[in-house]
Amino acid sequence: AQSVTQLDSHVSVSEGTPVLLRCNYSSSYSPSLFWYVQHPNKGLQLLLKYTSAATLVKGINGFEAEFKKSETSFHLTKPSAHMSDAAEYFCVVSDSDGYNKLIFGAGTRLAVHP
Amino acid sequence: DTAVSQTPKYLVTQMGNDKSIKCEQNLGHDTMYWYKQDSKKFLKIMFSYNNKELIINETVPNRFSPKSPDKAHLNLHINSLELGDSAVYFCASSQVTGTANYNSPLHFGNGTRLTVT
Repeated sequence: AQSVTQLDSHVSVSEGTPVLLRCNYSSSYSPSLFWYVQHPNKGLQLLLKYTSAATLVKGINGFEAEFKKSETSFHLTKPSAHMSDAAEYFCVVSDSDGYNKLIFGAGTRLAVHP
Repeated sequence: DTAVSQTPKYLVTQMGNDKSIKCEQNLGHDTMYWYKQDSKKFLKIMFSYNNKELIINETVPNRFSPKSPDKAHLNLHINSLELGDSAVYFCASSQVTGTANYNSPLHFGNGTRLTVT
């Protein structure tokens, strides 16, 4: 079965510094991977997705993620954090049953300080 | 606005009551979902419908009954509410074509916070 592990439950950065949110996945086949963001009292919004094309995926709001099969990782990065980036971030893998069932990680709360 | 909209946004009720949450999407998607987010922010799928047909039914108590009158609507009815049902429930939709589509992104509603007292 597919699963994802987000290695940090909380990450705190200063505005203007780089962001790194770590995610490892487990899958018996080549997975589809996603990052979603959830702002307070809001639904989830897709940041980016990996679907076996380019290993470096660019998303919205300056975020990007790199798929590394050898490390089974899909870490999310951003060169310079903005206050509006403060939110909960979820790493997600799509299950293999063909019905687009998403398996969510436990989430990483990103805090951005002035 | 094109979106997934769910009502109500907040729902406070007592144990034993029956309640419904409505969801509508105007994105033209053929697949809709219900997810439950617990107090620790953990998200888990409950149900999925494709063109009004149930395709995913996780191990959810049968007090929970989804209903899809058409492919733009997926409502969630909950009977005999329990304290443990308190959570945020998210509706979502996606366009899933064919029998195996692993990478269709989901569009989420803003959630319904259910509190059972």
